[in-house]
Amino acid sequence: AQSVTQLGSHVSVSEGALVLLRCNYSSSVPPYLFWYVQYPNQGLQLLLKYTSAATLVKGINGFEAEFKKSETSFHLTKPSAHMSDAAEYFCAVPNSGYSTLTFGKGTMLLVSP
Amino acid sequence: EAGVTQFPSHSVIEKGQTVTLRCDPISGHDNLYWYRRVMGKEIKFLLHFVKESKQDESGMPNNRFLAERTGGTYSTLKVQPAELEDSGVYFCASSHLGTRENIQYFGAGTRLSVL
Repeated sequence: AQSVTQLGSHVSVSEGALVLLRCNYSSSVPPYLFWYVQYPNQGLQLLLKYTSAATLVKGINGFEAEFKKSETSFHLTKPSAHMSDAAEYFCAVPNSGYSTLTFGKGTMLLVSP
Repeated sequence: EAGVTQFPSHSVIEKGQTVTLRCDPISGHDNLYWYRRVMGKEIKFLLHFVKESKQDESGMPNNRFLAERTGGTYSTLKVQPAELEDSGVYFCASSHLGTRENIQYFGAGTRLSVL
């Protein structure tokens, strides 16, 4: 079964600094990968998705992620953090039937002024 | 267009009591999912409805959990009797049927505390 691993339960950056949130998938290449974000008191919102059409995927709010097969990774980046980016971020992969999602444990992004 | 709505947002009950969570999916979404996040753990799948039918309930922890989706619209998840380990955040998600990507849209969740 597919799985994803997120390294780091908490990541702290200063406003304006680079954001890097890590996600590694299990050995078989998934057809899709997702990053979701949960802002305080809100539901999970889709940030971006990988669909094998392109390895560099751009999402909302200036985030992007690059699919690297050689590293089994799909790390999320943003060149310059903003205070409003403070949230919890989840990497997810669908099961073989493309129905249910398997999530990583989540990474809380803390942004300091 | 309204998103996925869940009610209540918080519920605090005592061990042994019954609680019913409700989820209203996005209109027109035939897929409806329940997930749960226990504190400190990852979000885990519980159950998948296609319209009113249970497509996959392999994630349901035990028979104290009962999910329904009468009429294929909103869904309820009942926990009876609740145990301490049932505490967590229960998320509902919905999606269109038949799309390969199956983008799921999530509600804000119900935070359940069993004391």
